[in-house]
Amino acid sequence: GENVEQHPSTLSVQEGDSAVIKCTYSDSASNYFPWYKQELGKRPQLIIDIRSNVGEKKDQRIAVTLNKTAKHFSLHITETQPEDSAVYFCAASRSSTSYGKLTFGQGTILTVHP
Amino acid sequence: SQTIHQWPATLVQPVGSPLSLECTVEGTSNPNLYWYRQAAGRGLQLLFYSVGIGQISSEVPQNLSASRPQDRQFILSSKKLLLSDSGFYLCAWLDRGDTGELFFGEGSRLTVL
Repeated sequence: GENVEQHPSTLSVQEGDSAVIKCTYSDSASNYFPWYKQELGKRPQLIIDIRSNVGEKKDQRIAVTLNKTAKHFSLHITETQPEDSAVYFCAASRSSTSYGKLTFGQGTILTVHP
Repeated sequence: SQTIHQWPATLVQPVGSPLSLECTVEGTSNPNLYWYRQAAGRGLQLLFYSVGIGQISSEVPQNLSASRPQDRQFILSSKKLLLSDSGFYLCAWLDRGDTGELFFGEGSRLTVL
C-alpha cells in the first residue's frame, strides 16, 4: 500500500518568513495530493491540492509543487502570519479509484512567531 | 449546503465497555462516508469507508466495526474497548465533483481508561 513520509515534524518561523513542508510517497499510481490544515482541537480542512497532470499550483500565499519522477511534493507558504500556525498534513491517493481513501503523512506543527 | 454532524464530541470510557460514535450528513444524497482515526501526535489513518447503505469496507484489522443503516448515517462501534482505541475519530464525506475534497466532521475525542 501507499506510504507517505512528511518532514519536518515541527517548523518554527518568524512572521513574514517562508515555510516549506516536504512529503514523499511510495505508490507510483497515486495521482491526487491534497494538503490539510488542522488547528488545535479542530477538524482538518483542505487548503490546496494538486493532481499528477500539474507540476505546480498556487493560491495566494500558498503553493504546492509536485515531482512525479522523484515521488515527492511540497507545500510552500510565503509571508507567513501567526494565523498560519497549525498542523499541516500532506496526503496521497489514487483518485481515479480511491477518492477519499487518503494516506496521510505524520503532520508538521508550524509555529509562526509574531 | 452540505453539513456533517458527529457526536459525542468527547467521551471517556473504561476498558471493556462498548462504544458507539454517530455521524450524519445533510444536504447530499448517497455520499461516500469515511471513518478516520488520529492518534496523539500522529497523522490520520483510514479505518472504514462506505459507498452505500450496508456497504462497509475495512482498511485495517482492529477492534472496531462500522455500520451504515441509512444513506446519510455512519456509525462506528466496538463491543469492548481497548486502551489502544483512544484517539480522535473523524467522520468524513466525499465531494464527488471535480474537487474530490474530503470534508471532515468536528471529531469525537475518545479516552479509554
